[in-house]
Amino acid sequence: EADIYQTPRYLVIGTGKKITLECSQTMGHDKMYWYQQDPGMELHLIHYSYGVNSTEKGDLSSESTVSRIRTEHFPLTLESARPSHTSQYLCASSDRQSPDNEQFFGPGTRLTVL
Amino acid sequence: AQSVSQHNHHVILSEAASLELGCNYSYGGTVNLFWYVQYPGQHLQLLLKYFSGDPLVKGIKGFEAEFIKSKFSFNLRKPSVQWSDTAEYFCAVNVRGGSYIPTFGRGTSLIVHP
Repeated sequence: EADIYQTPRYLVIGTGKKITLECSQTMGHDKMYWYQQDPGMELHLIHYSYGVNSTEKGDLSSESTVSRIRTEHFPLTLESARPSHTSQYLCASSDRQSPDNEQFFGPGTRLTVL
Repeated sequence: AQSVSQHNHHVILSEAASLELGCNYSYGGTVNLFWYVQYPGQHLQLLLKYFSGDPLVKGIKGFEAEFIKSKFSFNLRKPSVQWSDTAEYFCAVNVRGGSYIPTFGRGTSLIVHP
């Protein structure tokens, strides 16, 4: 079944650690996105990609980086985690051919930095 | 840049009550409109969307929304809510002819008491 997968689902780490949040999709979509979601707030776009070797920063300033070496894989890396990075991170994808760019979301990774 | 306003941040209803969640956007051009829902512990998923045609859109689980262009609104309605409708509801808008990356509202937390 076509889906979007995120691992880990929950992560608690100490300040200064390097972490990578994984996102994979079997939807066959070209476009992928990372959002940050905090309670009672909008989803904030932090990175997006239109295809392999394409990555762009979103509206929200972020100290994270992303890569897109394979169509189905869009990992997000924090080189040195800080408590301000504590949040829920959502990965999404959409079909380039979609006339309205409907997005499909993964289950999220809830990150806590101590 | 467009913005999306959801006026009701927290709504508490009893089962069988009627629901209307407000969504207004700021962009004056041609837009695509979405309502996403996030049930406790689940993915954010599409509830309904408007791309073109009949401005009254019907979605899953008895939800509907009406696009009123003159009011820049896309309010979500359900005539009789159920306990299982307890969730977070997000309105989103993207602009046709642009990047098609959506702007999300802050979300509305709906609690339905049995």
